[in-house]
Amino acid sequence: AQSVTQPDIHITVSEGASLELRCNYSYGATPYLFWYVQSPGQGLQLLLKYFSGDTLVQGIKGFEAEFKRSQSSFNLRKPSVHWSDAAEYFCAVGPRGGYQKVTFGIGTKLQVIP
Amino acid sequence: KAGVTQTPRYLIKTRGQQVTLSCSPISGHRSVSWYQQTPGQGLQFLFEYFSETQRNKGNFPGRFSGRQFSNSRSEMNVSTLELGDSALYLCASSGGQGAGEAFFGQGTRLTVV
Repeated sequence: AQSVTQPDIHITVSEGASLELRCNYSYGATPYLFWYVQSPGQGLQLLLKYFSGDTLVQGIKGFEAEFKRSQSSFNLRKPSVHWSDAAEYFCAVGPRGGYQKVTFGIGTKLQVIP
Repeated sequence: KAGVTQTPRYLIKTRGQQVTLSCSPISGHRSVSWYQQTPGQGLQFLFEYFSETQRNKGNFPGRFSGRQFSNSRSEMNVSTLELGDSALYLCASSGGQGAGEAFFGQGTRLTVV
């Protein structure tokens, strides 16, 4: 069965500092990988996705993620965090061939301090 | 282009009652998925509909059901509500033709008292 682990439930960074959110997945083959962001009271917005090709994926809002097959990881990074990045971030894995039945991680709540 | 619309945004129901939530996907999207989000469990997949057919189902009891209409709008129903059903219910729509971006609605916050 597919699963996603986000080991950090809560992270606090200073504005302007770099950010890395960890994500490890368990899946029988190479899955589709996603990062979503959720602001309070809102739905989820897709930040980026990995399907194939270049293992470094660029997303919206200055985020990027790197797929490392050998480590079963898909960590999200941003070089300089802005106060507006404070939100909850979800890593997700889905089967190739369809969006359906995507499995989400538990989420990492990001706090940004001035 | 209008986004995914979920109604109502907030609901308060009593234990034992039933509830129906609605989701209107983005125009042209034929796949609608439903998720339950709670602080302890995160996002749990409920089911997915494509062209009025349920294609996938998560591990939820039979009290949770759904359907999709010919215009792709979807409803989910929860019967005999329990306190543990209190959650944010999210709907996501996508084109359905292979993996692609899913667009989420703002959710319906259900509180069972």
